[in-house]
Amino acid sequence: QKEVEQNSGPLSVPEGAIASLNCTYSDRGSQSFFWYRQYSGKSPELIMSIYSNGDKEDGRFTAQLNKASQYVSLLIRDSQPSDSATYLCAVITGRRALTFGSGTRLQVQP
Amino acid sequence: AAGVIQSPRHLIKEKRETATLKCYPIPRHDTVYWYQQGPGQDPQFLISFYEKMQSDKGSIPDRFSAQQFSDYHSELNMSSLELGDSALYFCASSLQGGRGYEQYFGPGTRLTVT
Repeated sequence: QKEVEQNSGPLSVPEGAIASLNCTYSDRGSQSFFWYRQYSGKSPELIMSIYSNGDKEDGRFTAQLNKASQYVSLLIRDSQPSDSATYLCAVITGRRALTFGSGTRLQVQP
Repeated sequence: AAGVIQSPRHLIKEKRETATLKCYPIPRHDTVYWYQQGPGQDPQFLISFYEKMQSDKGSIPDRFSAQQFSDYHSELNMSSLELGDSALYFCASSLQGGRGYEQYFGPGTRLTVT
């Protein structure tokens, strides 16, 4: 079992809809949680970080963290075709390197 | 804003050759991380350096070594290359204690071993 689990998708949503991406992690000692966006052949781009339970909003993005359920999610409002990419959930546990999930591929249909 | 710089962007080597990848972190960032991403896989942590000292080690093969220099740039040295080493290699940098160790990735080096 991977330390960070994501549904691989693809998750397909129409333009303008809300995309909901989910992630679970196994280490209760995990401290910091991140969402990266990665276009094919490009590097991961940090879009959200969250450290405490609850919601954190930044523009069209909202990250949600529930440490009791070991669950992190990312909501993308007003999805655009340019949001089509793979979204990687990443966690920092004991060491400070990132442990990634396998990513969820999002497709936004025009 | 300045980003992480990696060179070269593309590298083609033959089996058993050596390769050196370079990384220049964001100015004032004190920690550098190296990740390897194979085709269709998520990035895997290799090794990291804080203030020029190795801080963490991941799944880095013994054939690979790395160091961080006085100007904070880092080099990943890969010897006896194998076909399975073909991958994207990313360098990321962060500021210790800053914003929960947010890591920012460079554009990557695509290594092809033939």
